[in-house]
This record gives sequence, structure tokens and C-alpha cells, in this order.
Amino acid sequence: EPEVTQTPSHQVTQMGQEVILRCVPISNHLYFYWYRQILGQKVEFLVSFYNNEISEKSEIFDDQFSVERPDGSNFTLKIRSTKLEDSAMYFCASRGQRQETQYFGPGTRLLVL
Amino acid sequence: AQKVTQAQTEISVVEKEDVTLDCVYETRDTTYYLFWYKQPPSGELVFLIRRNSFDEQNEISGRYSWNFQKSTSSFNFTITASQVVDSAVYFCALIPLNRDDKIIFGKGTRLHILP
Repeated sequence: EPEVTQTPSHQVTQMGQEVILRCVPISNHLYFYWYRQILGQKVEFLVSFYNNEISEKSEIFDDQFSVERPDGSNFTLKIRSTKLEDSAMYFCASRGQRQETQYFGPGTRLLVL
Repeated sequence: AQKVTQAQTEISVVEKEDVTLDCVYETRDTTYYLFWYKQPPSGELVFLIRRNSFDEQNEISGRYSWNFQKSTSSFNFTITASQVVDSAVYFCALIPLNRDDKIIFGKGTRLHILP
């Protein structure tokens, strides 16, 4: 069964460093998303992406964040200068053209020290 | 406002008992989808069910059942004959289709099934 994959599963970084989180959505999916979950809290929407551009972004998704689909398979989230409060689980999700269900990857747990 | 409320923060039941997780939602939109996701201790989000706003039929899948009541804006989830493997955080979620398709999650209910 096709699934969304994410790498790395865990990342530890120093405050102020740049991180890139990678996702490989399900192959025939066209809509891509990033969500984050601060430890013990609910899952929050960050950004949606379709047709090579951002469809919508939340207040959390400020200038420190960017997304890219560098090739036909990867979808990345970059945090330019990480802050302590960026520590969270980051989930990638994708869905197909006629599907309403977003399928989530296993997440990347980011720890900023 | 678009909102999902899961009033039960944490529930503990003994294995084989039935348990119901409550979900109440708010939306001005007439067309929307409701979801339940499971987050086991390993952390991933597992899709369980999607229900659209036009379909109020209840659904049963094995030990899982869902009760959607539009009149009370509720979408409750029942696990029958619970098992230890059901221990997880369960999230109810909403997508108001008339606006966008970002998922609005509730805060989750942490379910402990005790052996």
C-alpha cells in the first residue's frame, strides 16, 4: 500500500541553524501539506501546496519557513534559523485530486537546543 | 469559527470494556468532512474514518463505530471490547470544504486500555 515517507525521523539542531525536512508524498497525489505538533498538544496546520505554489499558510508559517518541491517526488520544509519553540513533530501529508482524505507520513521529530 | 472540541483529555478503561470518545465541532459551512485519526505511542497519525456532512449514517468497522449527529454537531467514536493495542491519542478533525482543505484538529483524547 502506498504511503507518505519522511526523513529524517529525528533531528537535533542548534538554535539559529537551518534545517530541511523531507517528505515523499504518495506518487499520484497532487496536494501536499505540512503540519506540526508541539509535544503534548494538538496538530496544527502550517501550509498547503498545489501546482508548485503555496495554496494557504497559517500564522505560524512566517518568513523563517519555506516549502519546495525540488523534483517530481520530494516535498521539503525548510526552517531558515531555528528557534527553541520550533521543537515539535512535523508531519507531511498528501492527497489525490479527487480524494478528501489526507494521508500522513510518520513525522520528523525536531529538537532545537 | 471553525473548531473541534474533544472534552475528554484522558480516559482509562479496563480491557474488554467499551469506550466512547466524544467530539463536538463548530462550522458555519454547510459542506464539510469529519475525520478521526489515531496516534499510537510511536507518533504517526493513522487515518481511521472520513464522513461527509451529507451522510449521517452511522458506520461500523469491526470493533469501531461512529455516531454522526448533525443536529448536535457531534461525531462520537466508540470502541467495543477494547484491547491494549487501542491505547493511543485519538484526534477528531474537520475540513470545511467551502473554504480550503486544511485540517482543523481537536486537542485529542488520550486513551489508556489497562490489561
